[in-house]
Amino acid sequence: TQLLEQSPQFLSIQEGENLTVYCNSSSVFSSLQWYRQEPGEGPVLLVTVVTGGEVKKLKRLTFQFGDARKDSSLHITAAQPGDTGLYLCAGAGGTYKYIFGTGTRLKVLA
Amino acid sequence: DAGITQSPRHKVTETGTPVTLRCHQTENHRYMYWYRQDPGHGLRLIHYSYGVKDTDKGEVSDGYSVSRSKTEDFLLTLESATSSQTSVYFCAISEWGANTGELFFGEGSRLTVL
Repeated sequence: TQLLEQSPQFLSIQEGENLTVYCNSSSVFSSLQWYRQEPGEGPVLLVTVVTGGEVKKLKRLTFQFGDARKDSSLHITAAQPGDTGLYLCAGAGGTYKYIFGTGTRLKVLA
Repeated sequence: DAGITQSPRHKVTETGTPVTLRCHQTENHRYMYWYRQDPGHGLRLIHYSYGVKDTDKGEVSDGYSVSRSKTEDFLLTLESATSSQTSVYFCAISEWGANTGELFFGEGSRLTVL
């Protein structure tokens, strides 16, 4: 069974601080995605990474795919209250399906 | 926004009763998924479909069945609901290409089994 463990599970920080969320597995994934979910809504895709070692930037968010394609990280610079939400990583786990991580709930205080 | 509609959005039922959740899409995507979301578990895949009448099990399929008789509809059935199936259920759709595909999610169906 493929599992994705995210850490930390909860994170509460002040506006302007930096943070990193980790997504780790013992399995290799052909691609990995990060989603953000707000209360009462479904997750929304932030980024897809497909190559080992790949780094993608989306404004203040930086995503990295591990060289061995088993792990990923999300770094947020100068967090803002609008970044508050549940962050989920998801790995392509075989035939046309994604396995999701356990989630990191982020709260950014003004 | 992707055209995905889940119904009902909220349901309260009693243990032992059958429940069917419906997912309807207007995007003509081939792949459809049912996930459940519980605190501390992220999203767990229940069943998915890769075409009309083509379905397969996910991580937590026990106690659930699915059907897809048309491209646009994917039904999730709990034959005899139990309290452990109290959860928020999300439908998602996708198309795939080159080892990846974006999942578009519905707004969720909150099910409470008393």
